[in-house]
Amino acid sequence: QKEVEQDPGPLSVPEGAIVSLNCTYSNSAFQYFMWYRQYSRKGPELLMYTYSSGNKEDGRFTAQVDKSSKYISLFIRDSQPSDSATYLCAMSELEYGQNFVFGPGTRLSVLP
Amino acid sequence: DAGVTQSPTHLIKTRGQQVTLRCSPKSGHDTVSWYQQALGQGPQFIFQYYEEEERQRGNFPDRFSGHQFPNYSSELNVNALLLGDSALYLCASSPSLAATGELFFGEGSRLTVL
Repeated sequence: QKEVEQDPGPLSVPEGAIVSLNCTYSNSAFQYFMWYRQYSRKGPELLMYTYSSGNKEDGRFTAQVDKSSKYISLFIRDSQPSDSATYLCAMSELEYGQNFVFGPGTRLSVLP
Repeated sequence: DAGVTQSPTHLIKTRGQQVTLRCSPKSGHDTVSWYQQALGQGPQFIFQYYEEEERQRGNFPDRFSGHQFPNYSSELNVNALLLGDSALYLCASSPSLAATGELFFGEGSRLTVL
């Protein structure tokens, strides 16, 4: 079993749809959870950062963490064609340091 | 304000050769990490440099080595290249060891090993 798993995708949705992207993990020591967006031929860029369980909202994006189930989600409301990218979840045991464990990514296409 | 810059963007090597990849962190950042991203996979942590020292290392063999210079720029060296080393190599920087998720990635160096 891989340490972090994501819905395999690819995922295609119509413009305006609500998108749900999910990751599961096995290491109960993870405390810091992140979502990155990666456009084709670009490096990942940070979308959301959360600590421990709970929800965090930023504009059209909402991140949820359920540590008891070892499950995290990213919701995108009113999806736009510009949201078409690969979404990577990442996790860390420590607040400091950069040894993040990434999921394999889910490729999302938002169709106009 | 320049972000993280990496060079070269693409390169092709043959098995057994050695390669050096270069990274300049975002202005004001002093901590650099390197990640390997195979096709269709998420990035995997190679190592992190701070104050010119390797601070953390992922599960990569000693063929992977690095260096950080006084101006905070960094190099990744890979010796005795294998076909499996073909990947996108990403450099990431942050303002300090206190990353709190704020990793800024470059666009990567795509290495093909034939």
